[in-house]
Amino acid sequence: TQLLEQSPQFLSIQEGENLTVYCNSSSVFSSLQWYRQEPGEGPVLLVTVVTGGEVKKLKRLTFQFGDARKDSSLHITAAQPGDTGLYLCAGVRPLNYGGSQGNLIFGKGTKLSVKP
Amino acid sequence: NAGVTQTPKFRILKIGQSMTLQCTQDMNHNYMYWYRQDPGMGLKLIYYSVGAGITDKGEVPNGYNVSRSTTEDFPLRLELAAPSQTSVYFCASSRPRRRRSVPDTQYFGPGTRLTVL
Repeated sequence: TQLLEQSPQFLSIQEGENLTVYCNSSSVFSSLQWYRQEPGEGPVLLVTVVTGGEVKKLKRLTFQFGDARKDSSLHITAAQPGDTGLYLCAGVRPLNYGGSQGNLIFGKGTKLSVKP
Repeated sequence: NAGVTQTPKFRILKIGQSMTLQCTQDMNHNYMYWYRQDPGMGLKLIYYSVGAGITDKGEVPNGYNVSRSTTEDFPLRLELAAPSQTSVYFCASSRPRRRRSVPDTQYFGPGTRLTVL
């Protein structure tokens, strides 16, 4: 069972379009992180959201943490080819989930391709 | 700072061979991690360490071993390579978490692409 479900799995859009990707769970998370991974490289942290309902902006990227802290979204405005990559959400494993407590668990990611 | 470095970048192993994946960080981070990333899957934690001399299992530790003799180095050992271990392996490091509920930034290396035939 995947604790963090990301959708869509793949997204191919034209430069200038807007898009939203989602990270959903049936469990409550104390915080969620978003990473971007480019081909052949390791993931790079974009943002950490901590408070339910929190909205953070990073230039053209807007991150939102759901009120119930079970979901998060990433909205990109006027996408550019440089936004191409794999977007991963990650959360600290909930205490009632078992396993390695306190470590990050990752969703499968959304693979974004922005064509010029 | 070089950050997190991993060697080798690519490796092909035969079934039953062994190898060590090297990971070094120069940020003086206490915490270090090994993940594997299979196609279409997120990252799965193999092992982690909260400091020199201390290691613990992650989600998928079977078939792997680690050691942490220094703050800088965290090698991952495959003893008897199997095709199921074909994957991309990432090492990461971070500072200790200041709040249990909020992870600190993990800094990832560029990865080692391993194929077992």
